[in-house]
Amino acid sequence: EAQVTQNPRYLITVTGKKLTVTCSQNMNHEYMSWYRQDPGLGLRQIYYSMNVEVTDKGDVPEGYKVSRKEKRNFPLILESPSPNQTSLYFCASSLIPAGANVLTFGAGSRLTVL
Amino acid sequence: DAKTTQPNSMESNEEEPVHLPCNHSTISGTDYIHWYRQLPSQGPEYVIHGLTSNVNNRMASLAIAEDRKSSTLILHRATLRDAAVYYCILSGTTDSWGKLQFGAGTQVVVTP
Repeated sequence: EAQVTQNPRYLITVTGKKLTVTCSQNMNHEYMSWYRQDPGLGLRQIYYSMNVEVTDKGDVPEGYKVSRKEKRNFPLILESPSPNQTSLYFCASSLIPAGANVLTFGAGSRLTVL
Repeated sequence: DAKTTQPNSMESNEEEPVHLPCNHSTISGTDYIHWYRQLPSQGPEYVIHGLTSNVNNRMASLAIAEDRKSSTLILHRATLRDAAVYYCILSGTTDSWGKLQFGAGTQVVVTP
């Protein structure tokens, strides 16, 4: 089944404890992206990647890192999480070319930072 | 800021059509108009997209204004399962196309 898989789905952690949220897709998509969703703010893009070793900032990249060493994986790294990073996170992927690309989203990862 | 403007919420009765407007006055000639929806406790899912002409699929129809500065997603017969947040976004073909902005979307409430 074509899908985007995120792990963990739920995580409670403490301030300053490094964590990684993994994202993997099995559709050979070039494009991958991370979003966070907070009440009343909709989906805001954190980082995106056009292909292996190519990443760029979205609208809210502060406090996050990403890497794209393999085409299928696009982990989101919180080096020193803070409570304001408590949120629902979504990973998405699509084929290129642009414009007509259709995003496939993961089921989401709910992160709580105490 | 999001490049699109949508109403915060809309209500509809079951079996009635729903017309969801979206304004995108700064759209460029190469931007596609995409619609996604997010059901409760799920990730967003694709609904429909178009460039200039109106589009139909099994889920919905997309009507695009002649000047492309606005569009309308049409759910022909709303069901309770259509209750969701609907997002209208622009996806372009320029170098910055990867930076997709979703905004807050429109919450659709369907009443039995």
